[in-house]
Amino acid sequence: GESVGLHLPTLSVQEGDNSIINCAYSNSASDYFIWYKQESGKGPQFIIDIRSNMDKRQGQRVTVLLNKTVKHLSLQIAATQPGDSAVYFCAENHAGGSNYKLTFGKGTLLTVNP
Amino acid sequence: DAGITQSPRHKVTETGTPVTLRCHQTENHRYMYWYRQDPGHGLRLIHYSYGVKDTDKGEVSDGYSVSRSKTEDFLLTLESATSSQTSVYFCAISESYTEAFFGQGTRLTVV
Repeated sequence: GESVGLHLPTLSVQEGDNSIINCAYSNSASDYFIWYKQESGKGPQFIIDIRSNMDKRQGQRVTVLLNKTVKHLSLQIAATQPGDSAVYFCAENHAGGSNYKLTFGKGTLLTVNP
Repeated sequence: DAGITQSPRHKVTETGTPVTLRCHQTENHRYMYWYRQDPGHGLRLIHYSYGVKDTDKGEVSDGYSVSRSKTEDFLLTLESATSSQTSVYFCAISESYTEAFFGQGTRLTVV
């Protein structure tokens, strides 16, 4: 069935280093892949998305890579800061029709050490 | 912040009682979602809506029902609350396939 999962549940990095958060997906029919950030006590917040016909997209300090061959998604955060400490979720969705199921993976906890 | 409000924010209820959680938006977004968040499970979709009176099941819909009679309100009802439904519930709204805006969450405890 459809699933969006993660390789690692936790990631600890030093401030200033680059972070890479990984995600595996199983549904080849997904049209969009998305990354969300959830800070403690808050709802998730959208970070960046990528359409299935792309393999890379850059935002401010973040880059999302999509490898459809191995069904792998990653989020790269440059120069990680303490404010980046949060749980990061990958998500996927389909386009068209009335099927707008936005489905999330289990999340990775990123801890940034000063 | 997107205009989305969940109520109540906290609730303790007894096993077997019905419970209704409300999600209210002022953004006129078409899509609305209910998720539950539990340790080790991430965010799991309960039900979603793609328009007034148009709803569909998510991955963990058993024991839950929803209604959307107006664009701005999406209600989640636990028909007969059980301890396994103790969780944090999030509502989300969206006008796109990717960017959803989440409420602050409702912490529900079933005793």
